[in-house]
This record gives sequence, C-alpha cells and structure tokens, in this order.
Amino acid sequence: NAGVMQNPRHLVRRRGQEARLRCSPMKGHSHVYWYRQLPEEGLKFMVYLQKENIIDESGMPKERFSAEFPKEGPSILRIQQVVRGDSAAYFCASSPSGRVPTYEQYFGPGTRLTVT
Amino acid sequence: DAKTTQPPSMDCAEGRAANLPCNHSTISGNEYVYWYRQIHSQGPQYIIHGLKNNETNEMASLIITEDRKSSTLILPHATLRDTAVYYCIVRGNNNAGNMLTFGGGTRLMVKP
Repeated sequence: NAGVMQNPRHLVRRRGQEARLRCSPMKGHSHVYWYRQLPEEGLKFMVYLQKENIIDESGMPKERFSAEFPKEGPSILRIQQVVRGDSAAYFCASSPSGRVPTYEQYFGPGTRLTVT
Repeated sequence: DAKTTQPPSMDCAEGRAANLPCNHSTISGNEYVYWYRQIHSQGPQYIIHGLKNNETNEMASLIITEDRKSSTLILPHATLRDTAVYYCIVRGNNNAGNMLTFGGGTRLMVKP
C-alpha cells in the first residue's frame, strides 16, 4: 500500500521560473490538501481539492499560485515566476473523506523548493 | 476551530512515558481532538484522535478530561525515534475548508 507520493523531493528554480509540484494521493483517497512550511515555521494550509474541484483555496496567495486535481493523474501545485520567499517545504496530504471522524489526513514526504 | 495551547518544549528519558499536554478550553461539542507529529523534515504523521472518550492505539493513548477543555497524549515507552514536534489540533465538521490548523506544537526531545 503506497502512501502519498510527492515529486520531485527537491526542486531548485531560479527567480522568475515556474515550479510544478506533484502529489499522488493514497489509493482510494479523493481529497487532497496542500500545505506550506516556511523555514523554522509551522505548516500553513493552502488549498483543498477534490477531483476536478477546488473546494477551499483560502490559504493560497492571491497571485502566481494555482492548484488542480484532474480526473486522471496527480494533483499539481503550480507556482509561476518564483521568488526567493517561495522557498519552503510543500506538503501534500490526502484523506478518504472530508468529514470527521474519518478525517485523518496522510501526508507525503514533501517537496523542498529552493529559489536561487 | 478552537485554539490550542501547548508547551513549546519537553524532555523525556528514553523508555519512560512521555505525557504531552494540550489546552483547548474553547472547544465546542462537535469538535474532535487530533494529534499529529512531525519528525525532522518529514511530513506530519497522524497519531490519534478522539471526541470525549479516552482512546488508545498502537502508537499512543489520548486522555481527554471530562469537561473536554484539555487533553494529554501519552507515549507509553518513549524511544529516541519519538523525538519530534507534536501538534494538538481541534477540528470540527463546521468548517467547509476541512484544513488542519497547526500551531507551534511541543518539541519533544527523548534523551538516552
């Protein structure tokens, strides 16, 4: 039973480039969440998606960030025109349901983005 | 979602029980208490959750006070690999976003 998969594990981008982060949820999970962890800080929610739908993007920066979870394939977090402040660990989590109590979110290993 | 308060750090001797407290005095009736931990640089790991009864699984026990205003996570025999930041999160069904709100957590250091 594979857990949540994220790739790449490490990503280096120059300022102004685009970053694409991928997340494959656990088998049978249709709910995906993205979180960001800045250096020495806690995790902050970014976006919650179900297949083909963005349910809650209240934590997403207003510009340059977008997310999708297509019918087929992984969820993608896309950051356009990256800046140094985007350097962080980006974690994806999945759950079988969005409702408590069957709500445990299982996290992937994260993608560490470094912007030079 | 209710706010939680945890001590920023704790030490525990290897092999002893680690008792991590959490205050959630504003918790409402339909909110659950969840515990996660994050071992250095890894993704958070789900540990346990409960509503009002005490819960136990292969990783830990969760003790929730009768008034539900606080809880304690117990690792019965801490090992060095339990060194991590432990997060207590209160979560209910009334938030359409369903996100987890991570506070500062407790940095548990298990020492030989």
